[in-house]
Amino acid sequence: DGGITQSPKYLFRKEGQNVTLSCEQNLNHDAMYWYRQDPGQGLRLIYYSQIVNDFQKGDIAEGYSVSREKKESFPLTVTSAQKNPTAFYLCASSQGSWKETQYFGPGTRLLVL
Amino acid sequence: GQNIDQPTEMTATEGAIVQINCTYQTSGFNGLFWYQQHAGEAPTFLSYNVLDGLEEKGRFSSFLSRSKGYSYLLLKELQMKDSASYLCAVSLRGNTDKLIFGTGTRLQVFP
Repeated sequence: DGGITQSPKYLFRKEGQNVTLSCEQNLNHDAMYWYRQDPGQGLRLIYYSQIVNDFQKGDIAEGYSVSREKKESFPLTVTSAQKNPTAFYLCASSQGSWKETQYFGPGTRLLVL
Repeated sequence: GQNIDQPTEMTATEGAIVQINCTYQTSGFNGLFWYQQHAGEAPTFLSYNVLDGLEEKGRFSSFLSRSKGYSYLLLKELQMKDSASYLCAVSLRGNTDKLIFGTGTRLQVFP
């Protein structure tokens, strides 16, 4: 079955620690995205990648980093510079342009210890 | 700036019909998406409207008026499993294309 997987489902971060969230897709989609969801707010774009080895900052990229070395994978690192990392993180993929439907993974909930 | 407005919460009764509205003010427009999101889960795609008018998919229909910056999602024969948040998202066309999301409407269906 084609789809998007994210791991882990829950992640705990200590102060000053970097953590990496995994996102893998087998839909053969060119574009991948990372969003952050907070209560009472819409999904906000962190980073996106429309092709392998290229990625762009979204609206709230500060304190985050990504890589896109393979078409299937788009990991997100939450660095210690992100002062308020507690949120629900959603990865998505699409065929390519912003007019195409984005399909979402199950999400990772990040909590700070 | 870009802005999308949806009601925060709505309630309805099982078997009834509910309409969830979405208004937007954006510069450049490709189309409008509706997603359903159950608590703690991923959003799932419901519909995509590009042209004015009503599109029907089973119990769900979505309407768009580009001139009025307005869309609605119509849910018929409500079931308990329809209790979820419904996200309106606009695909923008401009110097930098992107997708922006409303804050979502939380629908509770009661027996």
